[in-house]
Amino acid sequence: QKEVEQNSGPLSVPEGAIASLNCTYSDRGSQSFFWYRQYSGKSPELIMSIYSNGDKEDGRFTAQLNKASQYVSLLIRDSQPSDSATYLCAVRVITNFGNEKLTFGTGTRLTIIP
Amino acid sequence: DAGVIQSPRHEVTEMGQEVTLRCKPISGHDYLFWYRQTMMRGLELLIYFNNNVPIDDSGMPEDRFSAKMPNASFSTLKIQPSEPRDSAVYFCASSPGLAGDIDEQYFGPGTRLTVT
Repeated sequence: QKEVEQNSGPLSVPEGAIASLNCTYSDRGSQSFFWYRQYSGKSPELIMSIYSNGDKEDGRFTAQLNKASQYVSLLIRDSQPSDSATYLCAVRVITNFGNEKLTFGTGTRLTIIP
Repeated sequence: DAGVIQSPRHEVTEMGQEVTLRCKPISGHDYLFWYRQTMMRGLELLIYFNNNVPIDDSGMPEDRFSAKMPNASFSTLKIQPSEPRDSAVYFCASSPGLAGDIDEQYFGPGTRLTVT
């Protein structure tokens, strides 16, 4: 089982609609969760972090966390063509050596259709 | 701030050659990370440093890979000898590491490596 799993997509959403991106993780002890956005040919950039169960809103973005179900999601309201990108879910995990690292999912490619 | 700087941006080399990738982290950041991204495996952590000291190199795929951080403003990732399966985009990232926190990572533009 992969540590962080995402549906690779592509996910197509009409402009103005809500895009919903999902992520599951295997390490029940994980406490920190992140969403990175990566445009084609560019580097990942951090757009949301969430540490507690529930919702966290930032502009058009809402991150949702359910630790009991080991599930993280990202909602994008009023989707714009500029939101078309690959979204990477990342989870902070403790390694076998006792260090911390971010483990990334393979990403979901989102396309907003004008 | 200039952000994380990587060079070269593109590298094409023949199998068996030595490849050196370079990274300058954001000034004042205590953590530096090297990642590799491929379509099949996604973004994988290779190694990371804290205050120039390697902390976790368990992601380095083979002895052909080595990384150094001689000072706070420079790091290298070397592949010797290179193989076609090393073809990928290599990202360097840095983090301020506030209170030992690695969460906020800022990525450089990446080096696209092609080994023929």
